[in-house]
Amino acid sequence: ETGVTQTPRHLVMGMTNKKSLKCEQHLGHNAMYWYKQSAKKPLELMFVYNFKEQTENNSVPSRFSPECPNSSHLFLHLHTLQPEDSALYLCASSQVNGYEQYFGPGTRLTVT
Amino acid sequence: QQQVKQSPQSLIVQKGGISIINCAYENTAFDYFPWYQQFPGKGPALLIAIRPDVSEKKEGRFTISFNKSAKQFSLHIMDSQPGDSATYFCAASTAGIGGGSNYKLTFGKGTLLTVNP
Repeated sequence: ETGVTQTPRHLVMGMTNKKSLKCEQHLGHNAMYWYKQSAKKPLELMFVYNFKEQTENNSVPSRFSPECPNSSHLFLHLHTLQPEDSALYLCASSQVNGYEQYFGPGTRLTVT
Repeated sequence: QQQVKQSPQSLIVQKGGISIINCAYENTAFDYFPWYQQFPGKGPALLIAIRPDVSEKKEGRFTISFNKSAKQFSLHIMDSQPGDSATYFCAASTAGIGGGSNYKLTFGKGTLLTVNP
């Protein structure tokens, strides 16, 4: 595996379900990010982790719960989502003091 | 309040033509301006980036022009090819707050480029 990988690539879940998104980076980076991409809107930064520690929560609702067990892995735990949460969820990584962020392919989430 | 405004929303260009996408920003603290290219089903990929100490950067057929006083920057794609058809995002960043100094990217809404053969 190279770059940033994300699983699953597609997810359909009901509003009462609990699911998790997984991200893994193979670039030796030490910062990881979650973004939300909705149609007709700019990418929205959700969370930032540096060296496994959360350094940014961009006013994200508590139904989204991130977890970063180490610098290579990032999870986004989902529960009781709303239909408006349907979007492409992108993971990215970078060096902590680096400008360049590298994105994974995303998980297309549909909440029914 | 949208901090990075991108235009046009969509663009159709003939093969061999020049594609131009523009962005304007408001925050004078921004100090890094990347462009990302996104194909359907893929995540955004860093295409080219510029710092505000230069007015132009060229990489192959892709050029960023930067106007600090106007707070504008643009992407020019020379000799556009059908394989360039994708969504292009401009972004801007400044160092984050706190330990680690992450560079927080603020994105434009994107431009869907179609290059006709």
